[in-house]
Amino acid sequence: EAGVVQSPRYKIIEKKQPVAFWCNPISGHNTLYWYLQNLGQGPELLIRYENEEAVDDSQLPKDRFSAERLKGVDSTLKIQPAELGDSAVYLCASSSGTGGYTGELFFGEGSRLTVL
Amino acid sequence: QQPVQSPQAVILREGEDAVINCSSSKALYSVHWYRQKHGEAPVFLMILLKGGEQKGHEKISASFNEKKQQSSLYLTASQLSYSGTYFCGTLAGTASKLTFGTGTRLQVTL
Repeated sequence: EAGVVQSPRYKIIEKKQPVAFWCNPISGHNTLYWYLQNLGQGPELLIRYENEEAVDDSQLPKDRFSAERLKGVDSTLKIQPAELGDSAVYLCASSSGTGGYTGELFFGEGSRLTVL
Repeated sequence: QQPVQSPQAVILREGEDAVINCSSSKALYSVHWYRQKHGEAPVFLMILLKGGEQKGHEKISASFNEKKQQSSLYLTASQLSYSGTYFCGTLAGTASKLTFGTGTRLQVTL
């Protein structure tokens, strides 16, 4: 069975440019998460979807970040415009079921963003 | 609030044991443990629920002390493959979000 797929793996952009990351979760997983991971730190939740609905986006900087999960399957995370401090790894994860963190999260390998 | 992990880093020889601790200032419902190798995705190890039993995964086991709001991960007879960064994630309730600690970097050498 395929795992969580993310693209691109690496992205280098100039500040103020836009960038988008794509995630395809494990088939059948209702819940999808976007995490930000700074160097040497643990993952921090940006947004959690249950099917198409964003059930927790309290940590998403909405002035420059946006996300969507149309049709409740794959998802896109966008940053516009990017700032130097956005350099990090953006991890996508998925899990089966809904209603909270009751089970294993399956993470993708992440998209490493470098903003110059 | 982010859980605190200790130690921050540890170096072991193959075959030695290690303990990684995770503490929270909040009452906890569950503790989740993950391992991440450099440049790879975090991989699930186990979940410990409030009132649940100590869990085990091969030679890796964990305990959860609800009164102290602490969890400990025990690595027995470490193998080279155990190297990586271990993260605990804590959940204060079923409706809260999973908050990860800053990680413990473990290196196992020959």
